[in-house]
Amino acid sequence: DVKVTQSSRYLVKRTGEKVFLECVQDMDHENMFWYRQDPGLGLRLIYFSYDVKMKEKGDIPEGYSVSREKKERFSLILESASTNQTSMYLCASSFGQGTYNEQFFGPGTRLTVL
Amino acid sequence: AQSVTQPDIHITVSEGASLELRCNYSYGATPYLFWYVQSPGQGLQLLLKYFSGDTLVQGIKGFEAEFKRSQSSFNLRKPSVHWSDAAEYFCAVGARAAGNKLTFGGGTRVLVKP
Repeated sequence: DVKVTQSSRYLVKRTGEKVFLECVQDMDHENMFWYRQDPGLGLRLIYFSYDVKMKEKGDIPEGYSVSREKKERFSLILESASTNQTSMYLCASSFGQGTYNEQFFGPGTRLTVL
Repeated sequence: AQSVTQPDIHITVSEGASLELRCNYSYGATPYLFWYVQSPGQGLQLLLKYFSGDTLVQGIKGFEAEFKRSQSSFNLRKPSVHWSDAAEYFCAVGARAAGNKLTFGGGTRVLVKP
């Protein structure tokens, strides 16, 4: 079974702190994704990556950055956390370049910024 | 750009009754369509997907969905709901031109009455 793990289930940070959310997948997937989930808005794509050291902006990249130094790991960084970044963050991965395959999701990290 | 609408935010259904969740999409070409389920405290799990071919798609947990191009819809159905089906359901659309990205609807939360 594909396993996507996220470093924390719950996280509480203060405004202005630098926050790292880590995601690791164990199936050698090329593609990795970061979403935020808010009630009524569904999932919105923040950033995604097709390969190591490659990244592309999603629909709501403002206030976020990402890092992918190893194929299995994709990090989401909040350079200076703000209260409007309080949300559930979901990581996903999928196999394949240029073809469409199922995305497998981690359990999520619920981030609260005070 | 593609978009997805799930018109029902909440649905309450009695155990044993049938369930239908609506999904309407907007996309210029033939889309890739997905239904995911998120149980409380869990990540998203794929229920079923449509790429091409037979417009009636069978999924896991007794769910099925029908692609209707003329109505731009991909509604999810289950003939008899179990208490364990209480969850949030997300419809998503993807497109080859969008580079493996998914666009999600806002979700429908299903409550099951005993």
